Amino acid sequence: DAGVTQSPTHLIKTRGQQVTLRCSPKSGHDTVSWYQQALGQGPQFIFQYYEEEERQRGNFPDRFSGHQFPNYSSELNVNALLLGDSALYLCASSSSNTEAFFGQGTRLTVV
Amino acid sequence: AQSVTQLDSQVPVFEEAPVELRCNYSSSVSVYLFWYVQYPNQGLQLLLKYLSGSTLVESINGFEAEFNKSQTSFHLRKPSVHISDTAEYFCAVTGGYNKLIFGAGTRLAVHP
Repeated sequence: DAGVTQSPTHLIKTRGQQVTLRCSPKSGHDTVSWYQQALGQGPQFIFQYYEEEERQRGNFPDRFSGHQFPNYSSELNVNALLLGDSALYLCASSSSNTEAFFGQGTRLTVV
Repeated sequence: AQSVTQLDSQVPVFEEAPVELRCNYSSSVSVYLFWYVQYPNQGLQLLLKYLSGSTLVESINGFEAEFNKSQTSFHLRKPSVHISDTAEYFCAVTGGYNKLIFGAGTRLAVHP
């Protein structure tokens, strides 16, 4: 079992650009959650996808959007990037009877 | 609304000494509580969890945490730390659907 896999591992983007991050959940998991972890802080919940729909959303602007595919994999899209969007983006997968398992994260740097 | 407060941002300790990392939570509903560990440039790994039952939970590498409902705390302890325990530790709470609310983290630095 490969666990939760995220791609890419590192990314550098320019202000105003758009970015797409990808996540494949652990085998058997049907729920994907995304978190933003700024330097020196705890992860902040962005949103959660279940059955290809956004089930919950944290306090993030509409520039942050996502998608879940029929195979349960997920994408996080961020439009009009700001310097403050620089962070480690973590994907976590789970199911109804398991805790969340995290991927290694994607380090996004906005310049 | 739920929230988590980790009372110490950094905890320096010598190898083989005991350590306690403090966590307090706020919630109006029943909660599940977790401790995650993060090594440099890595994601989060589950250390231990409290869902129900015994208020004392243990991990396989010697950590333990005690759920105290009256004090709304879930402090993490280890009787003897190793250099390899140096990492960032996060306390988290969830009220359902595995949406986690994290504290700001405690950096444990174990010195020889």
